[in-house]
Amino acid sequence: KAGVTQTPRYLIKTRGQQVTLSCSPISGHRSVSWYQQTPGQGLQFLFEYFSETQRNKGNFPGRFSGRQFSNSRSEMNVSTLELGDSALYLCASTAGGEWQTQYFGPGTRLLVL
Amino acid sequence: KQEVTQIPAALSVPEGENLVLNCSFTDSAIYNLQWFRQDPGKGLTSLLLIQSSQREQTSGRLNASLDKSSGRSTLYIAASQPGDSATYLCAVRPTDSWGKLQFGAGTQVVVTP
Repeated sequence: KAGVTQTPRYLIKTRGQQVTLSCSPISGHRSVSWYQQTPGQGLQFLFEYFSETQRNKGNFPGRFSGRQFSNSRSEMNVSTLELGDSALYLCASTAGGEWQTQYFGPGTRLLVL
Repeated sequence: KQEVTQIPAALSVPEGENLVLNCSFTDSAIYNLQWFRQDPGKGLTSLLLIQSSQREQTSGRLNASLDKSSGRSTLYIAASQPGDSATYLCAVRPTDSWGKLQFGAGTQVVVTP
């Protein structure tokens, strides 16, 4: 089985712009979670989607949003980018049960100038 | 509020020595605990998943224990190799939060030849 894939792998944006990141989960997985990783804050949970519904959201401003499509692929969007949004954005997928392993993708490295 | 702590933050050992990595968490209301490995600039690789009802899990040279009542987990890596050099992260899945993993800050491991 192919693993979790994320596109693009690298992005450079300027302050005020918006960005969309994409995540394709492992085939058959219906849950996708997103995380932000920075040197200062570590790994922080953004949100989780299951069967096109957002089930959970972390403590991030409304500029961070996401969605999930019927094929379980997910996108996250960050509007009005700030310098502090520079980070590695990781997505993870599971089949859906809370007792199951989360498998992570390689991440998208976002640099905001 | 769940907090996950990993001590030490960094560790350097000579090749062949056994590695012992510690993880503690403050709230025992978890579904499971997962150990990950992260190479610089890369995504997370799942190493072991321990369900809350289990005491340990083993995979090859890796063994992880879980004491849920005391809020502790330990990852043992036997006969370390230079290829084991990476950052190791533990994460708990709280029972009150869909799809979310709460991560520790990680232990950076260097195995010297």
